[in-house]
Formats: sequence, C-alpha cells, structure tokens
Amino acid sequence: GAGVSQSPSNKVTEKGKDVELRCDPISGHTALYWYRQSLGQGLEFLIYFQGNSAPDKSGLPSDRFSAERTGGSVSTLTIQRTQQEDSAVYLCASSARIRGYEKLFFGSGTQLSVL
Amino acid sequence: AQTVTQSQPEMSVQEAETVTLSCTYDTSESDYYLFWYKQPPSRQMILVIRQEAYKQQNATENRFSVNFQKAAKSFSLKISDSQLGDAAMYFCASTSGTYKYIFGTGTRLKVLA
Repeated sequence: GAGVSQSPSNKVTEKGKDVELRCDPISGHTALYWYRQSLGQGLEFLIYFQGNSAPDKSGLPSDRFSAERTGGSVSTLTIQRTQQEDSAVYLCASSARIRGYEKLFFGSGTQLSVL
Repeated sequence: AQTVTQSQPEMSVQEAETVTLSCTYDTSESDYYLFWYKQPPSRQMILVIRQEAYKQQNATENRFSVNFQKAAKSFSLKISDSQLGDAAMYFCASTSGTYKYIFGTGTRLKVLA
C-alpha cells in the first residue's frame, strides 16, 4: 500500500484477554518499529525489527508483550492477559534511510482500551 | 543518554497569529538530527520539519521554521500565520541517525478562530 496500515483502528477488550495488533509497513521498508503512546505521555519505544529479526526488544514492558514479523513485511504485536494499564495508542512505523538518518513513516495507530 | 523535554503541555494561538513551541534536548552525540512531528486527531504522526545538527542555518518549511540553538541545546518551532488545521499535538524528537528516536511528551496546540 501507499502508507503504513494498522488494524484494528480501535480495540476494546476485557482485562485478562489476549489481543493482537497488526502493522503492514510500506513495501520495501526493512525496518519496522512499535511505539506506545499513553495519555499525556510521549512515544515510548517498544521494539525494532530489521527484516524478520528484532535486534532491540528493550522497550517491551513485560513478558506479556511479544512481537513478530514474517516475510520481512507484516508485524503483529501481541499482548497477553491484558491489564488496564495497557490501555494506550499503539503506533507502528517503518523507515527508509534518507540523507544519513532513518525517516519514520507512521500508521494511524490502534487505540486499545482494556476494561 | 539522550533526552528530549517539552515543557509546555498546551498552547493556544489566535488564527493568523504566530506561536512558538519550545523543546530542549540533551545528547552526547556529535552528529544528530532534530525533528518536529504533528499528530492530528487522526493519530498519524506527520513530519513537519527536520534540522541537521551540523547545519547552522535554521530549517524552514513554508509557515514553519525552527530556532536551533546548538550551544543551549534548544530547538523551538515557530508557526506563522496559524491556521485552524494546525491544531494538533506537536512532538519534538531526536536521533543520532540510527533507528533509535527519543520523543518529547508533546505540546497540544489549540488554534482559536
């Protein structure tokens, strides 16, 4: 597609349930990122993929969070046993190297609400 | 460690007026890039303007310009002739050129008709 696509746009779930968030990056972009944006906070880095591997998972807040990327394209962020503090906007980005830096292209995010 | 600080949670500006959003940063890198991103209600982050640290000249993009003070580690965004469509969250960010970006906590800009 023309841009980074994320689904679902909004997700309401009950505490304790598992959720999967999907990100479809710009075709050809090998780098992919997940960020979390909590109310009143900046963007919190979660994980970075280069191709199908994740050299930096340091931002994943707990072992309830995991992510994978297949075929160097689509990525899925999974949150197990959701908690109310997981409520946030989850943003995905892919990047292209332009003039010495990685230019980020963002999706519109998934608003996750845990009741 | 790199840090980015935005001390203005919210700002307001009258339509057609000028507003300046503040950002300070800290980095030990000699080469780095600074950015302002706009996040409208659609939630999609849009790059507004970019500044390379090695360039002394302040970046400009139409109505948007920055005041880059390298010694003071300050990077403010000036929006001239503000329009209703400028209303959004604005995030300051930095990177040394790798995948690692550091974002500030954002400033919500309201534009008053």
